[in-house]
Amino acid sequence: AQSVTQLDSHVSVSEGTPVLLRCNYSSSYSPSLFWYVQHPNKGLQLLLKYTSAATLVKGINGFEAEFKKSETSFHLTKPSAHMSDAAEYFCVVSAAGTASKLTFGTGTRLQVTL
Amino acid sequence: DSGVTQTPKHLITATGQRVTLRCSPRSGDLSVYWYQQSLDQGLQFLIQYYNGEERAKGNILERFSAQQFPDLHSELNLSSLELGDSALYFCASSVRQGSSEQYFGPGTRLTVT
Repeated sequence: AQSVTQLDSHVSVSEGTPVLLRCNYSSSYSPSLFWYVQHPNKGLQLLLKYTSAATLVKGINGFEAEFKKSETSFHLTKPSAHMSDAAEYFCVVSAAGTASKLTFGTGTRLQVTL
Repeated sequence: DSGVTQTPKHLITATGQRVTLRCSPRSGDLSVYWYQQSLDQGLQFLIQYYNGEERAKGNILERFSAQQFPDLHSELNLSSLELGDSALYFCASSVRQGSSEQYFGPGTRLTVT
């Protein structure tokens, strides 16, 4: 079975400062890992994905995440936050053989202040 | 815009009733997935269809059922509705059968009163 733990339910940063959203995963097999973003009253949008290629994954809107097997982590970062980044972010895992079953974390709400 | 459409956007109904949620996948996508997002359960995978056939099941209640039609659109049927069924229901689609790269629709917000 696989699971993800998002370590912060709420993160607040100032515009122009770095963003760090933390995610730890647990998986019996080689996992595929994703970050999705959900803006208010919108559907989910794929930010980036890791599928056993490069451990540093670049996504849309300047976000990136690093897969660290030794730490079972897949933290999401962005060098400089923008007001439009305010949203709910979900770390997601799927395991080999069950690719269709995405398991979502509980979400981290990112607040960006002026 | 992901290309996945869902109707209706909002639905308000009473306990004990039955509703049908509709999803049209992206053009060319053969797989459709249904998810439920609620405050207490978070985002949960319900069920997946590929080219008309059920392929995977998650935490879907027996009161819920789904199907995928020949034109690839899908419907999620919720019956004997309870207050706890109030949630946002998302549909997602992908090209391949077991793809973890899924494209989500805007969701249907169901309120059971």
